[in-house]
Amino acid sequence: QKEVEQNSGPLSVPEGAIASLNCTYSDRGSQSFFWYRQYSGKSPELIMSIYSNGDKEDGRFTAQLNKASQYVSLLIRDSQPSDSATYLCAVNIPRNTGFQKLVFGTGTRLLVSP
Amino acid sequence: EAQVTQNPRYLITVTGKKLTVTCSQNMNHEYMSWYRQDPGLGLRQIYYSMNVEVTDKGDVPEGYKVSRKEKRNFPLILESPSPNQTSLYFCASRDPLSALHFGNGTRLTVT
Repeated sequence: QKEVEQNSGPLSVPEGAIASLNCTYSDRGSQSFFWYRQYSGKSPELIMSIYSNGDKEDGRFTAQLNKASQYVSLLIRDSQPSDSATYLCAVNIPRNTGFQKLVFGTGTRLLVSP
Repeated sequence: EAQVTQNPRYLITVTGKKLTVTCSQNMNHEYMSWYRQDPGLGLRQIYYSMNVEVTDKGDVPEGYKVSRKEKRNFPLILESPSPNQTSLYFCASRDPLSALHFGNGTRLTVT
């Protein structure tokens, strides 16, 4: 089982719709979670971080965390063609050394059609 | 401006010719890391450094070296590049438990 799993997609949504991106993780001890957006050939860009159960909203983006079920999701409201990108989920996974390693999923490709 | 700076952005080289990709950050982060990204495989960690003079292997360290002589710099060295090291490389830094800040990437082609 991978430590962080995402559906590779592509997830296709029409402009104006809500895009829902999901991520599951394996380690119950994980405490911090991040969503990155990556355009083709560019570096990942942080769009959301979430540390506690529930929802966190920032503009059109909402991150949702459910530690009991070990999943984190990202909702994009009023999707725009410019949102078309790959979305990477990243989770801080505790290690035996006390260090927390940031582990990335392989990403979900989102396509927003005009 | 807080940033991670990588150079060069693009590099084409031949098998066996040693190369160095530089990385510098101005955020006083103790933690720095190198990743490579290949289609279908996502971001894979090559090496990381918890602090000056402290480096450790990531998931795919073979064929790479790093050094951390000062906090702001973390160069990636390929002593004898091979075609399977053709990839998109990212340097990143962060505070403990915080998100990673990425450089703009280096696209390396080894022929």
